[in-house]
Amino acid sequence: ETGVTQSPTHLIKTRGQQVTLRCSSQSGHNTVSWYQQALGQGPQFIFQYYREEENGRGNFPPRFSGLQFPNYSSELNVNALELDDSALYLCASSLVGRFGYTFGSGTRLTVV
Amino acid sequence: AQSVTQLDSHVSVSEGTPVLLRCNYSSSYSPSLFWYVQHPNKGLQLLLKYTSAATLVKGINGFEAEFKKSETSFHLTKPSAHMSDAAEYFCVVSYDKVIFGPGTSLSVIP
Repeated sequence: ETGVTQSPTHLIKTRGQQVTLRCSSQSGHNTVSWYQQALGQGPQFIFQYYREEENGRGNFPPRFSGLQFPNYSSELNVNALELDDSALYLCASSLVGRFGYTFGSGTRLTVV
Repeated sequence: AQSVTQLDSHVSVSEGTPVLLRCNYSSSYSPSLFWYVQHPNKGLQLLLKYTSAATLVKGINGFEAEFKKSETSFHLTKPSAHMSDAAEYFCVVSYDKVIFGPGTSLSVIP
């Protein structure tokens, strides 16, 4: 098993900029989901992709968008960054969501 | 609508004593339920999962959870706490979305 890897591990951006975060799913997994974890809080579901299509979304604005590629890797894009977007962004993959997700270690995004 | 409530934001136990972390859920469907643990500056690790099979679920590191549909609960237990159990614990419900509870911080006193 390769596990879920995320890049970069840390990132600093300026308000108004755009950012792309990347995730490589665990080998054999076809579903990927993204979460935002603000300091001291639980992760909040952003969206999920299955076979390159979004099939679930949380309460996040459209400036949060994503992609899943044929090799099941994924990107999270955030446009027009705001200070409140500062958080740990977690990616998770699964074969079938009902049987649990494997999480990456996250990308720590700081918006200044 | 799905939701998850973790009744205690912080639990403190002595080493060697039992651990109980409480979780209640609300779901219109038969959900999958999970417990995850997050150690400081570490990623999330799956402790155990309930997927409509046995109601008593055994996980890693001696943790167990019992699914009680009538009480809509999925409490996490461990007979004897270790220092290494100190961490943040999240109860999670999953159907079409994945909903995390707010978390319970477990402290273990030597």
